[in-house]
Amino acid sequence: QVQLVQSGAEVKKPGASVKVSCKASGYTFTSYGISWVRQAPGQGLEWMGWISAYNGNTNYAQKLQGRVTMTTDTSTSTAYMELRSLRSDDTAVYYCARDGDLILVAASPFQHWGQGTLVTVSS
Amino acid sequence: EIVMTQSPATLSVSPGERATLSCRASQSVSSNLAWYQQKPGQAPRLLIYGASTRATGIPARFSGSGSGTEFTLTISSLQSEDFAVYYCQQYNNWPPTYTFGQGTKLEIK
Repeated sequence: QVQLVQSGAEVKKPGASVKVSCKASGYTFTSYGISWVRQAPGQGLEWMGWISAYNGNTNYAQKLQGRVTMTTDTSTSTAYMELRSLRSDDTAVYYCARDGDLILVAASPFQHWGQGTLVTVSS
Repeated sequence: EIVMTQSPATLSVSPGERATLSCRASQSVSSNLAWYQQKPGQAPRLLIYGASTRATGIPARFSGSGSGTEFTLTISSLQSEDFAVYYCQQYNNWPPTYTFGQGTKLEIK
């Protein structure tokens, strides 16, 4: 079965960086994309960006351009999301989600999600 | 950017009754619209994709309709486990650029 297991909670100071991992299993990692979604406390879902696990192509939400980098390690079937210059409003639960089959060249709803990683930004 | 607007923000319904949730897109997304359910402390769960197709394991009381810019999620007979927050999501672009609605909280009346 498809599983996405994320790294543990983080506490960071303003201005620091955080890197969250998402280890995939149960499917061919390089056949799908990975999207990252975050949710601030009591708020809705915000899509952060997408990465192709096949060739590393990315597409980031405009709001986060320049502060976010998404990468993959195909040898370990792990996706990473790094967010820099953290601010208090980056405090959120960060989710990875399996995106669509790359052969289809089409965006896709998210059937499979990681369990979420709480990132707290506080001085 | 395509903006998704859900209404109402909160919906109070009694168990056993029908709930109707709405989602509007700022421009056409064809049928590339999904609905998710989220309970406290949990990741979202995919309910509906392609505007009207139930995801694997989703009960038949959940149904979706619409295309273009207007969409509806209907829960025909509310069960206690259905009280949650519901989000719509468009997935109409390539490379992927997704947007979610702000959510509708379905609460017990």
